[in-house]
Amino acid sequence: SQQGEEDPQALSIQEGENATMNCSYKTSINNLQWYRQNSGRGLVHLILIRSNEREKHSGRLRVTLDTSKKSSSLLITASRAADTASYFCATAYDSWGKLQFGAGTQVVVTP
Amino acid sequence: NAGVTQTPKFQVLKTGQSMTLQCAQDMNHEYMSWYRQDPGMGLRLIHYSVGAGITDQGEVPNGYNVSRSTTEDFPLRLLSAAPSQTSVYFCASRAGTGGAYNSPLHFGNGTRLTVT
Repeated sequence: SQQGEEDPQALSIQEGENATMNCSYKTSINNLQWYRQNSGRGLVHLILIRSNEREKHSGRLRVTLDTSKKSSSLLITASRAADTASYFCATAYDSWGKLQFGAGTQVVVTP
Repeated sequence: NAGVTQTPKFQVLKTGQSMTLQCAQDMNHEYMSWYRQDPGMGLRLIHYSVGAGITDQGEVPNGYNVSRSTTEDFPLRLLSAAPSQTSVYFCASRAGTGGAYNSPLHFGNGTRLTVT
């Protein structure tokens, strides 16, 4: 069963707008990670937030984590056409740090 | 720096055939894993390894075998292909195991497998 569930499943925005996607999970975690996948390619790591952290920034990315609600959000500010991709959250939930992925959010950014 | 290399990129099999998907990494990562990606399902863990000689099952291991004879290589074997194994397969590796799990996965570009 999927640990992480992303919402929305798809998002269409224009360049310059912000994109926000959410991830909910079911059990306690060690960390939560966000990945991007361009069409036909492997996943690329974007950002990792540990269970004792609440917010993290990396360039135009902002991630929040609320362990009491078992949820996380990824905000991409000032979107560009190159941000068009699928975005996945993944939770590390056991002592080996195995990752469980959600089904992803497809983001389309139009010029 | 090649990272994680998967071969082949595409493969078509007939039901009942066997094959091996290759995965190699040049980052000296201890942890390696195989995922399959199906539409609407995200990625599901098939098998993983925390070092040479050590492998374990993930979420969907049936129909697949793995071995880890070297740090660099982690092949995935399909024993008798079935149409349900039509999927995109990703190999991923990570530095460290156990308490060092706060490090990201590095993915290959995938193998697209079709079983007819």
